[in-house]
Amino acid sequence: HSVLTQPPSLSATPGQKVTISCSGSSSNIGNNFVSWYQQLPGTAPKLLIYDDNKRPSGIPDRFSGSKSGTSATLGITGLQTGDEGDYYCATWDASLNGVIFGGGTKLTV
Amino acid sequence: QVQLVESGGGVVQPGTSLRLSCAASGFTFSNYAMYWVRQAPGMGLEWVAVIWHDGSNEYYADSVRGRFTISRDNSEKSLYLQMNSLRGEDTAVYYCAKDMAAAGNVPFLDYWGQGTLVTVSS
Repeated sequence: HSVLTQPPSLSATPGQKVTISCSGSSSNIGNNFVSWYQQLPGTAPKLLIYDDNKRPSGIPDRFSGSKSGTSATLGITGLQTGDEGDYYCATWDASLNGVIFGGGTKLTV
Repeated sequence: QVQLVESGGGVVQPGTSLRLSCAASGFTFSNYAMYWVRQAPGMGLEWVAVIWHDGSNEYYADSVRGRFTISRDNSEKSLYLQMNSLRGEDTAVYYCAKDMAAAGNVPFLDYWGQGTLVTVSS
């Protein structure tokens, strides 16, 4: 049971758009920046979004991030079969004095 | 290019100790906070520990506090995780990861190693 709540799984078809939610509280998302990670099968996680909505160099603009209050959202447009994997949100929690990851969302394309 | 290479994993018995290492290259190691993140088989990511760029601050997950110690040697461009009193629930792939910032309380982990597997079993 994670402090950050994500849907366990989502399914979509190629070309569609999906959004993955990450719900927290004022001690974490509400007052700290959010990052998002993609983990493809058998590989290490990869940073997709930082600072709530910024993309690192090399991440296509099909990936976007947003935040409102104590919830954050990852959007993926133009879904590809290569996007199939697990997606995690993360942030700092001031009450726990540590980093927290969401439970992860398994995306099936 | 940035590279993080973990080592030191293996199969150990409950109650014993293990030290993980992470060799960094391709960036100015002393400028960035560093993390250990683990992933138990078939499970999600779990943050373990973070250390500030200069070693001035360390924070730990409740599940490992008092048993694990994170440290770094900036002259050797290396990160370490000393794991004592290991338990079955510590079985996981352990990743070292680099932050985009010097302090570790804004976790933007932009580079990850390939991970090293620690198995705690009798």
